[in-house]
Amino acid sequence: NAGVTQTPKFQVLKTGQSMTLQCAQDMNHEYMSWYRQDPGMGLRLIHYSVGAGITDQGEVPNGYNVSRSTTEDFPLRLLSAAPSQTSVYFCASSYSGGVGEKLFFGSGTQLSVL
Amino acid sequence: GQQVMQIPQYQHVQEGEDFTTYCNSSTTLSNIQWYKQRPGGHPVFLIQLVKSGEVKKQKRLTFQFGEAKKNSSLHITATQTTDVGTYFCAGPNSGGGADGLTFGKGTHLIIQP
Repeated sequence: NAGVTQTPKFQVLKTGQSMTLQCAQDMNHEYMSWYRQDPGMGLRLIHYSVGAGITDQGEVPNGYNVSRSTTEDFPLRLLSAAPSQTSVYFCASSYSGGVGEKLFFGSGTQLSVL
Repeated sequence: GQQVMQIPQYQHVQEGEDFTTYCNSSTTLSNIQWYKQRPGGHPVFLIQLVKSGEVKKQKRLTFQFGEAKKNSSLHITATQTTDVGTYFCAGPNSGGGADGLTFGKGTHLIIQP
């Protein structure tokens, strides 16, 4: 099993460009989420999904869109990139999102917005 | 909203010394999880504590959950270079597990040989 796979690993964008960060998991997990990690800020939740067709906002959702058309995939879209979105992005999944379930993280996407 | 505070932010130790990181929540937690992130890597789950006053051990690592379920600690005995990384505590958001986790800002463990 590959676990949680994120692509690309690195990306440089210009301000105003759009792009999609891909996340796929092969563990049949219902719960998937996106976090961003900034120096000194820890991990902050952007969006999450408890199953196909269901998404919700986390702590820092502005500037990001998500959709969940399949159990396996949970892409994160930046509609108009801004320098403030320079960060490392992690996708994470768990079996159902129940309290106490551990998260499995992908290897991350390092994004720079110039 | 819920806040999870972690101290210290950085800890330098000589190899072989002990290390402790502390986590405090603004609210009572149903459980607390600990993750480790190696430099350049991704967070990896270490353990979960659920019961008030719970203590769990993994080899040289000892995890504690406070009696009031608002604080926790991770203690590493006799650090090794393989312990280098950032240690995060995390608690479930107020709506339950599906609302995600609130992470502390992490403690960076730096080991000098």
